[in-house]
Amino acid sequence: AQSVTQLDSQVPVFEEAPVELRCNYSSSVSVYLFWYVQYPNQGLQLLLKYLSGSTLVKGINGFEAEFNKSQTSFHLRKPSVHISDTAEYFCAVSEGTGYSTLTFGKGTMLLVSP
Amino acid sequence: DSGVTQTPKHLITATGQRVTLRCSPRSGDLSVYWYQQSLDQGLQFLIHYYNGEERAKGNILERFSAQQFPDLHSELNLSSLELGDSALYFCASSARGGTEAFFGQGTRLTVV
Repeated sequence: AQSVTQLDSQVPVFEEAPVELRCNYSSSVSVYLFWYVQYPNQGLQLLLKYLSGSTLVKGINGFEAEFNKSQTSFHLRKPSVHISDTAEYFCAVSEGTGYSTLTFGKGTMLLVSP
Repeated sequence: DSGVTQTPKHLITATGQRVTLRCSPRSGDLSVYWYQQSLDQGLQFLIHYYNGEERAKGNILERFSAQQFPDLHSELNLSSLELGDSALYFCASSARGGTEAFFGQGTRLTVV
């Protein structure tokens, strides 16, 4: 069984500051890793994904994440946030079998203030 | 727009009732997944269908059932509704062998 831990339920940050949202996972098999964003009253939008290869993954809206196998982590970073980045961010894993059944973390609310 | 369509967007119903949520996957996607998002449980996987067949079950209650039809749309049936069933229900779809799930906008169910 897989599990995902997002250590911070809320991260407040000022506009133009850097941010890191933390994600740790556990699994007995190889996994694919994802970050999704949910804006208020919206569905889930994929930010980025790690399947294999380079451990640094770049996504949309200037976000990137680094896969660290030894630490079983997949932290999300952005060097300079905007007000519009205020949203809930979900880390998720799926088994690398070609099916996309996802196990999600509890989510981290990113609050960007001016 | 993800290409996944869910109807209705909002649903208010009374305890004990039965409702049906509908999902149309992206064109050509054979897999449909249902997830429930609630404040206390977060996002939880309910059930996965692939080309009409059930492939995996998650934390789905016995009062809930789903099916996928020959045209690949899917329905999630929730019966004997309780207050605790109030949640956002998401449908997602993916292609055969796909590694990415595309989510619909969700159906917000309120049980009163």
